[in-house]
Amino acid sequence: DVKVTQSSRYLVKRTGEKVFLECVQDMDHENMFWYRQDPGLGLRLIYFSYDVKMKEKGDIPEGYSVSREKKERFSLILESASTNQTSMYLCASSFPDRATEQYFGPGTRLTVT
Amino acid sequence: AQRVTQPEKLLSVFKGAPVELKCNYSYSGSPELFWYVQYSRQRLQLLLRHISRESIKGFTADLNKGETSFHLKKPFAQEEDSAMYYCALRGRRPTFGRGTSLIVHP
Repeated sequence: DVKVTQSSRYLVKRTGEKVFLECVQDMDHENMFWYRQDPGLGLRLIYFSYDVKMKEKGDIPEGYSVSREKKERFSLILESASTNQTSMYLCASSFPDRATEQYFGPGTRLTVT
Repeated sequence: AQRVTQPEKLLSVFKGAPVELKCNYSYSGSPELFWYVQYSRQRLQLLLRHISRESIKGFTADLNKGETSFHLKKPFAQEEDSAMYYCALRGRRPTFGRGTSLIVHP
């Protein structure tokens, strides 16, 4: 059974703080993704990675960066958190030829005050 | 550019009624579409994929290339079907719709 885990379920940070969201998968998936999920806006792709050390911008990368030093781990970084980054963040992974068949983590509810 | 449209934010039905969650897409190539579901306090999970032509939990979805649609249907809704449903289109960058919240009343 595929397991995608995220470091925190709930996180509260202050404006201007640097925030790290960690995601780990145990299925040797090449592809990993970060989304934010907001009511009425659905899932919006922030960044994705199809290989170690590779990253590509999604639809809303502004204010975020990512790191993928190891195949199983994909980190999302908020360099200077702002209140409009309060959201649910979802990590997902998939095999390379099945990018849309994704396995999701439980999500991190981030609140920036 | 590829796009997925789910026109309804909310769909409310009574138990036993038929349900249809709409999904329309825009894609220049041969599309592959998927439905995902997220139950309350659970993670998002794949429900079904059009290439499998499968029925999962009583749900089916048929790809209609002429109408560029991939609507999710169930003949008799159950309360446990209440969830958020997302339609997704395969691409180098997968595209998700905005989701439809299905509420099934007892």
